[in-house]
Amino acid sequence: NAGVMQNPRHLVRRRGQEARLRCSPMKGHSHVYWYRQLPEEGLKFMVYLQKENIIDESGMPKERFSAEFPKEGPSILRIQQVVRGDSAAYFCASSHTGGGNEQYFGPGTRLTVT
Amino acid sequence: GESVGLHLPTLSVQEGDNSIINCAYSNSASDYFIWYKQESGKGPQFIIDIRSNMDKRQGQRVTVLLNKTVKHLSLQIAATQPGDSAVYFCAENKEAGGTSYGKLTFGQGTILTVHP
Repeated sequence: NAGVMQNPRHLVRRRGQEARLRCSPMKGHSHVYWYRQLPEEGLKFMVYLQKENIIDESGMPKERFSAEFPKEGPSILRIQQVVRGDSAAYFCASSHTGGGNEQYFGPGTRLTVT
Repeated sequence: GESVGLHLPTLSVQEGDNSIINCAYSNSASDYFIWYKQESGKGPQFIIDIRSNMDKRQGQRVTVLLNKTVKHLSLQIAATQPGDSAVYFCAENKEAGGTSYGKLTFGQGTILTVHP
C-alpha cells in the first residue's frame, strides 16, 4: 500500500528555468495539498486541490506558481522562472476526505535554485 | 494576523522520561488543533488532533491538552524513546464546510532529542 509519492526528490534549477514537481496521492485519495518549507521553519500552505478543481489557492504566490490535479495522473506544482528565494522543500499531502486533519505527507521535493 | 507558534525550539530528554512540547496559538477561531511529527528527511506524520471544544485527548503514549483560556496547546509523550526524536509541529484547521478548511497552519516546530 504505497504512500504519497513525490518526484523528483531533489531538483536543481538555474535562475530563470522552470521547475515541475509531481505528486501521486495515496490510493483512493482525491484531495491533494501542497506546502512549502523553508529551512528551520514550519510548513506553509500553498494550495488545496481536488480532482480537476482548485479548492483553495490562498497560499500560492500570485505570479510564476501554478498547480493542477488532472483527472488522470499526478498533481503538478509548476514554478516558472525560478529565483533563489524559491529554494525550499515542497511537500505534497493527500487525504481521503476533504480537508481533514490527518493529511498524509510525501517525502518532499527539495528544490535548489542556483 | 493568525499564527501558531512554539515556546521552546529545542527539548532534550533521557530515554524513559516523559516529554512535554508546548505551543501557543493566537487564532481563537480554529476548530481543530493537531500535532505532527517530522523525522529528518521525511514528510510530517500525523500524531493526534483535538477539537476546540475539548480539553484533553489521549492516544497511544501521547496526550494533547488544550487550554483555551491562555491559548495554549501541549503534547505529552510518555516514556519517550529514541525513535521519538524528531521535530514536532502544532497546526490548526477549520471546521468542514467553513473557509480555509484543509488549509493547515503550522507552527515553527520544536526539536525533540531523546538520549539513550
